[in-house]
Amino acid sequence: DIVMTQSPDSLAGSLGERATIDCKSSQSVLYSSNNKNYLAWYQRKPGQPPKLLIYWASTRESGVPDRFSGSGSGTDFTLTISSLQAEDVAVYYCQQYYSIPFTFGPGTKVEIK
Amino acid sequence: EVQLVESGGGLVQPGGSLRLSCAAAGFTFSSYAMSWVRQAPGKGLEWVSVIPGSGDRTYYADSVKGRFTISRDNSKNTLYLQMNSLRAEDTAVYYCAKQSGGSCYLGSDYWGQGILVTVSS
Repeated sequence: DIVMTQSPDSLAGSLGERATIDCKSSQSVLYSSNNKNYLAWYQRKPGQPPKLLIYWASTRESGVPDRFSGSGSGTDFTLTISSLQAEDVAVYYCQQYYSIPFTFGPGTKVEIK
Repeated sequence: EVQLVESGGGLVQPGGSLRLSCAAAGFTFSSYAMSWVRQAPGKGLEWVSVIPGSGDRTYYADSVKGRFTISRDNSKNTLYLQMNSLRAEDTAVYYCAKQSGGSCYLGSDYWGQGILVTVSS
């Protein structure tokens, strides 16, 4: 199984501050035949189901604010929130869908200072 | 508008069975793979199972393999999860999720609100 790790476990940033979350996979999730990274990012707010933010590691889902961006390839990925807003308070998860079982990272809790 | 509504959860004794259903609307159900994901109290998200639109293959997490069965009825736009030999560690909120295309190997772009399954004596 591919093991996903995330860092930090939690972060507290000021409004307008840049926030970054790292995600690492225990093996590459880059599929060479199509050059796509099988990596998604989800946002989970309290009392709500997860929401897809980013897929293919860097493609923003429709309707997601452009302050959210994804980057990375192979085994190392980053979710960046360019200007933290109050509504971004949530837990963020990365997930690989390269191989079954599709595993999630443990999550990163984002709070406002 | 895509809608996914889970039902069938509740309290069950260890060793018991439950069948979860997920009624889908707002998209061509048979064209999309569907999955189940759960979240135990105080824990993170755990992928459980996925099935392609055709329903001809199924895939499971090791933690549920041999006990859970995912299926779908495309004529009823409904996804199922038959859960047998339930254990305390299966206690979780179960989410049904739509994959973003026909392949299983995609992210999940829509999720239901979730249904609580509690396994306890």
